[in-house]
Amino acid sequence: AQSVTQLDSQVPVFEEAPVELRCNYSSSVSVYLFWYVQYPNQGLQLLLKYLSGSTLVESINGFEAEFNKSQTSFHLRKPSVHISDTAEYFCAVSLRWWGNKLVFGAGTILRVKS
Amino acid sequence: NAGVTQTPKFRVLKTGQSMTLLCAQDMNHEYMYWYRQDPGMGLRLIHYSVGEGTTAKGEVPDGYNVSRLKKQNFLLGLESAAPSQTSVYFCASSYPQGGDPSYEQYFGPGTRLTVT
Repeated sequence: AQSVTQLDSQVPVFEEAPVELRCNYSSSVSVYLFWYVQYPNQGLQLLLKYLSGSTLVESINGFEAEFNKSQTSFHLRKPSVHISDTAEYFCAVSLRWWGNKLVFGAGTILRVKS
Repeated sequence: NAGVTQTPKFRVLKTGQSMTLLCAQDMNHEYMYWYRQDPGMGLRLIHYSVGEGTTAKGEVPDGYNVSRLKKQNFLLGLESAAPSQTSVYFCASSYPQGGDPSYEQYFGPGTRLTVT
């Protein structure tokens, strides 16, 4: 069975500082990898995804994540965070077959302080 | 496009009562899903559907039933609500018919359910 571990439940950081949110997964088969973001009292929005090809993927708002197959990791990074990045971030994996089911990590709350 | 919508947004039930949550999508997606979100546990899949008239169990299906009579709608039913079903419920959809399956899921705004 697949599982996703997000190593930090909360990450406090000052505005304009860099941040890394860690995600490790376990799977015996190839997977697709995702980061979703949830702002307070809202649904989830896709931040970025890795399906194949380049192992470094980027979002439009400055986040990036790198797929590391040997370490089974997909850590999320941003070089300089803003107050507006305060949200909960979820790492998820999807099996490459029928149903496209997602398995989520427990989530990491990013708190950006001024 | 409205995307994925959920009805109702909030609901309070007494133990033993029943209710149905409605999810609708206007993106012509083949796949639809129901998740529950609990603090510190992320989202867990309850049931899902890969097409009209088909449903399948997810990770935590007990106490819930679903139906997909129309492609655009996915209903989640609680026949006899229990306090353990207090949660936020999210519906999602993916895979447009005839399109390239990007495997992205689109989420609704959620339904906050409290069972007392």
